[in-house]
Amino acid sequence: GNSVTQMEGPVTLSEEAFLTINCTYTATGYPSLFWYVQYPGEGLQLLLKATKADDKGSNKGFEATYRKETTSFHLEKGSVQVSDSAVYFCALRPNSGGYQKVTFGTGTKLQVIP
Amino acid sequence: NAGVTQTPKFRILKIGQSMTLQCAQDMNHNYMYWYRQDPGMGLKLIYYSVGAGITDKGEVPNGYNVSRSTTEDFPLRLELAAPSQTSVYFCASSYSIANQETQYFGPGTRLLVL
Repeated sequence: GNSVTQMEGPVTLSEEAFLTINCTYTATGYPSLFWYVQYPGEGLQLLLKATKADDKGSNKGFEATYRKETTSFHLEKGSVQVSDSAVYFCALRPNSGGYQKVTFGTGTKLQVIP
Repeated sequence: NAGVTQTPKFRILKIGQSMTLQCAQDMNHNYMYWYRQDPGMGLKLIYYSVGAGITDKGEVPNGYNVSRSTTEDFPLRLELAAPSQTSVYFCASSYSIANQETQYFGPGTRLLVL
């Protein structure tokens, strides 16, 4: 079956540090890949996505590149801010006809300290 | 738009009690979902709906029931609460089931069964 593996948290960084959150997946074919973010007290919201190999999703300074050869979709940001403190979820959705459920990773908590 | 709203935010139940978790969306989305999130785990799909009057089971439907009488509302019913149902419940919606489609999440309901 499909699965998503994320690095365990929490990840604690100082403001302006470089961020990488690793995500690898197992799936047949070419699924769509997503990063969702959950700020404290809120629901998940889409951060970025990529729908085919070598695509790069980007938003709010975050980037992730769909790497088919390494089955990875690592999230990066060059300079984190305190406001980026949240839980980040990697997810995939198979690229098949009909309804296909989204498979989520376990989430990685990021804490940015001033 | 309010997006996806959920009530209540937090609830404590005794074993054997019943309750309904409410979910509503004002985006005219056809597709709605219920997930549960257990500590250290990813989101698991409980039920989903592809339109008013149509629902189907997800990965972990046992102990739950849903209905979808309108496009806007998708309540989740727990008939006989058990400690294993202690979790955070998220409702979500989407415009379509295309593989690249974004899901919009509510803020969640935290349920504790004692």
